[in-house]
Amino acid sequence: AQSVTQLGSHVSVSEGALVLLRCNYSSSVPPYLFWYVQYPNQGLQLLLKYTTGATLVKGINGFEAEFKKSETSFHLTKPSAHMSDAAEYFCAVSNTGGFKTIFGAGTRLFVKA
Amino acid sequence: EPEVTQTPSHQVTQMGQEVILRCVPISNHLYFYWYRQILGQKVEFLVSFYNNEISEKSEIFDDQFSVERPDGSNFTLKIRSTKLEDSAMYFCASTVQGASAVQEAFFGQGTRLTVV
Repeated sequence: AQSVTQLGSHVSVSEGALVLLRCNYSSSVPPYLFWYVQYPNQGLQLLLKYTTGATLVKGINGFEAEFKKSETSFHLTKPSAHMSDAAEYFCAVSNTGGFKTIFGAGTRLFVKA
Repeated sequence: EPEVTQTPSHQVTQMGQEVILRCVPISNHLYFYWYRQILGQKVEFLVSFYNNEISEKSEIFDDQFSVERPDGSNFTLKIRSTKLEDSAMYFCASTVQGASAVQEAFFGQGTRLTVV
């Protein structure tokens, strides 16, 4: 069975500061990992995904994530937070079976001016 | 850019009533999904659908729920007799392929269902 754990339901950073959102996964098969963002009252938008190959993945809006198999982690980072980054972020896992995506509980990012 | 569309965006219904949530997946996609997000909680998988039948369903997807692809474009979720706890945002998603391919699910904007 697959699962995702996001550490911290709320993260607050100052504008211009580093953003780090933590995600650990559990999977008995090689995982495919995703980060989705949800802005208030909106749907889910894919930020980035890891499938195979390069473990550092770059996504939209300056975000990136690194797949670390030894740590079963897929943390999301952004060097400099912007006010527009304030949203809910979901880490998710899937696999080649592909019939569903399992989401973490989400981390709400607050950006202070 | 192709997108998954859902209607209505908001639905208010009385407890015990039937509701049908509608989705139009991306046209060349073959796998369809419904997810639910209760306010303030995580996104939960409900059901996946391929080749006109359910591929997988969660414990949430009980006999009160059903899915259908009535024509070549729509994918619907029906709740037969709504309960207060069915109030949630319901997301439809679709993917191009299922097994043996990486799955990036494309999500619709959601239907907010409120049961009163």
